[in-house]
Amino acid sequence: AQSVTQLDSQVPVFEEAPVELRCNYSSSVSVYLFWYVQYPNQGLQLLLKYLSGSTLVKGINGFEAEFNKSQTSFHLRKPSVHISDTAEYFCAVSDRGKTSYDKVIFGPGTSLSVIP
Amino acid sequence: EAGVVQSPRYKIIEKKQPVAFWCNPISGHNTLYWYLQNLGQGPELLIRYENEEAVDDSQLPKDRFSAERLKGVDSTLKIQPAELGDSAVYLCASSLDPGGGPGEQFFGPGTRLTVL
Repeated sequence: AQSVTQLDSQVPVFEEAPVELRCNYSSSVSVYLFWYVQYPNQGLQLLLKYLSGSTLVKGINGFEAEFNKSQTSFHLRKPSVHISDTAEYFCAVSDRGKTSYDKVIFGPGTSLSVIP
Repeated sequence: EAGVVQSPRYKIIEKKQPVAFWCNPISGHNTLYWYLQNLGQGPELLIRYENEEAVDDSQLPKDRFSAERLKGVDSTLKIQPAELGDSAVYLCASSLDPGGGPGEQFFGPGTRLTVL
């Protein structure tokens, strides 16, 4: 069964510094990949997704992620973080099916804290 | 456009009591999800509906949990009887799946359940 690992449970970073949040998934079969963000007391919202095509995916708020099939990774990056980026970030994966897709599996999350 | 609406936002009950959560998805979204989110963890799928059909309920504890999505619009998730371990946030999400992969999921704010 598919699983998602987010190695860093907490990532503190100074404002305007770059950040990378790591995500690895277990299966090497064809997958769909997502990053969601959850601000305090709010629901999750999509940052970006990889369905097919270019392995470098750009999302909202200046975030981007790169799909690496050989390393089964989908790391999230931002060159310069802002205080407002403080939130919980979830990586998610879904296996491709022949006619549909398998359920979306979420990782345990990484708490990003931006320090002024 | 209104987002995913969930009610109640908070619920405190004693163990062995029944409880129900309601979700109204974004208009026109064919797929509806119920997730359970424990503190410090990612969402875990309980059930997924495509229109009125439950296409994935493999993670729903059917001895005490039930769900319905009448007319393929809003949905209710019920627990009867509740146990202490059911304390968590229950998230509802909806998506408009274009085919060829899972669509962006839009999440509601969740219902925080506390079982005493």
